[in-house]
Amino acid sequence: QVQLVESGGGVVQPGRSLRLSCAASGFTFKTYTMHWVRQAPGKGLEWVAAISYDGSNELYADSVKGRFDISRDNSKDTLYLQLNSLRAEETAVYYCARGTTNHYLDSWGQGTLVTVSS
Amino acid sequence: IVLTQSPATLSVSPGEAATLSCRASQTVRSHLAWYQQKPGQAPRLLIYDASNRATGIPARFSGSGSGTDFTLTISSLEPEDFAVYYCQHRNEWPLSFGGGTKVEI
Repeated sequence: QVQLVESGGGVVQPGRSLRLSCAASGFTFKTYTMHWVRQAPGKGLEWVAAISYDGSNELYADSVKGRFDISRDNSKDTLYLQLNSLRAEETAVYYCARGTTNHYLDSWGQGTLVTVSS
Repeated sequence: IVLTQSPATLSVSPGEAATLSCRASQTVRSHLAWYQQKPGQAPRLLIYDASNRATGIPARFSGSGSGTDFTLTISSLEPEDFAVYYCQHRNEWPLSFGGGTKVEI
């Protein structure tokens, strides 16, 4: 079965960096677009970034463009999100999700919590 | 594209029907999905392309609409259906979600 397991979350000071990972299994990772979505405590979902199946195309929400970097290693079936210049308001659970060919999100990990605080 | 969901909270009894609304700030054609999220869990895809049920989703969930106005209907609420529901468009980048509707007992 499809499994996505995020890791790398934790407490980080404002302005610092963090790298999240998402280990995929149960499907042919290299053939799927992958996404990151975040959810602040008690709030709704916010799409963050996506990367094409081969890593050749990256897309970002305006709120993170220039600060976050999505990447993937298809030899390791792993998705990454580099978070730079973090802000307090970016405290959230970060989910990785598999994209369908039509850019819906049909499988999700359980998320990893990033807390930005001094 | 901004998606506005209403109501923010919907109070219903088990066995009753629930109707949730999602309105887009501009047309998204039929490129809209619905997700269910229970406390402490990741979202789950329910409906895609406005009216197609995802794999394993019970028939009591149905979606309709096109353009800017969409509806998710749960025909007879089961106890496990009490959750927060989000709509999401994929008509253009960036993708976006609505603010959610909480369906409570």
